[in-house]
Amino acid sequence: DAKTTQPPSMDCAEGRAANLPCNHSTISGNEYVYWYRQIHSQGPQYIIHGLKNNETNEMASLIITEDRKSSTLILPHATLRDTAVYYCIVRSRGGGADGLTFGKGTHLIIQP
Amino acid sequence: DARVTQTPRHKVTEMGQEVTMRCQPILGHNTVFWYRQTMMQGLELLAYFRNRAPLDDSGMPKDRFSAEMPDATLATLKIQPSEPRDSAVYFCASGLWVGRTNQPQHFGDGTRLSIL
Repeated sequence: DAKTTQPPSMDCAEGRAANLPCNHSTISGNEYVYWYRQIHSQGPQYIIHGLKNNETNEMASLIITEDRKSSTLILPHATLRDTAVYYCIVRSRGGGADGLTFGKGTHLIIQP
Repeated sequence: DARVTQTPRHKVTEMGQEVTMRCQPILGHNTVFWYRQTMMQGLELLAYFRNRAPLDDSGMPKDRFSAEMPDATLATLKIQPSEPRDSAVYFCASGLWVGRTNQPQHFGDGTRLSIL
């Protein structure tokens, strides 16, 4: 599976859009990009995933570059409850099929 | 919303004791994963099952850890005998795999284990 690179930490003001980058320059054609987050003392929470098109759901938007070598997770109106560690993971099959490999993620801190 | 349920949420015991952690996967999911999280190692996959059969347990210490699925609604992870280095948060996750489906896996809130 492709390796991902994320900044270790980011700050964002409450109410603003939080844009979390992820680099996956070695991604191959059949690999999906998944985003999870982990709020303190909870289990990882699935956010969104995509293959090549941009995706949006009730939690976030995922923008994947045309060459698929990087992506950005966007939380459109960040709240204090969005403070968490965000993990970008690349997997070749459905996320329900195989175990996930978690890196260190990005610790996003939402400032009041 | 459907959830993965783990029990107990917290467990403190002395080294040498047997520890059993339980997981109820989301109804209809056919794949169950066990992960462990520590400050030093982060989140690591220990083992996973599909349709109750073990598929991969290469991440699990074989001598003291065992994982089973007695039925489709229950997965267990046992440590015997437990050691202080087993102190961690253990997460269970479940997902659905049917051919080319692409559904994400969902996690429980973990069992926080402390071995004294």
